[in-house]
Amino acid sequence: EPEVTQTPSHQVTQMGQEVILRCVPISNHLYFYWYRQILGQKVEFLVSFYNNEISEKSEIFDDQFSVERPDGSNFTLKIRSTKLEDSAMYFCASSPQGGREVWEQYFGPGTRLTVT
Amino acid sequence: DAKTTQPPSMDCAEGRAANLPCNHSTISGNEYVYWYRQIHSQGPQYIIHGLKNNETNEMASLIITEDRKSSTLILPHATLRDTAVYYCIVRVDPLYNQGGKLIFGQGTELSVKP
Repeated sequence: EPEVTQTPSHQVTQMGQEVILRCVPISNHLYFYWYRQILGQKVEFLVSFYNNEISEKSEIFDDQFSVERPDGSNFTLKIRSTKLEDSAMYFCASSPQGGREVWEQYFGPGTRLTVT
Repeated sequence: DAKTTQPPSMDCAEGRAANLPCNHSTISGNEYVYWYRQIHSQGPQYIIHGLKNNETNEMASLIITEDRKSSTLILPHATLRDTAVYYCIVRVDPLYNQGGKLIFGQGTELSVKP
């Protein structure tokens, strides 16, 4: 069964450093998402991406964040200057295109980001 | 998207049915009920969705009341691997909101005990 993959599984970085979290969505999916979950809290939407542009973003997704689909398979989340409060599990998700087929979002296993 | 209310936690004996309730009294006509679950430290996983009819798939059944103000997710024979946080989410029909985000609440933490 196809699945969303994410790398790395755990990233430790120092405050102020840039990090790039990588995701490989399911190959025939066209909608891509990033969510995050701070330890012990609920899953929060960050951004959705379709047709090579951001379709929606939350208040959390400020100028420090950016997303990119650099090639036909990867989807990345960049945090330019990490803060302690960016420490969280980051989940990538994808869903297929079209009508009522967009029922499910398939989530990756997550990248745990620790900012020290 | 309408707000949902779920109990924070529930227990269930292994092999028994787990019935997880969800209230969504402000749901509107074009909003669907979705259920996802999150096993500890993993990404959320889609379970089932419905509009107004009861739905069943290989994982679970979804019972939606006639007035659509509440629903129940049923895991017919719970196993230890079903221990997870279960999220009830109300979303606008994807036909009119393609690619729309999921808004997660706190969910119900289901503990399946031997």
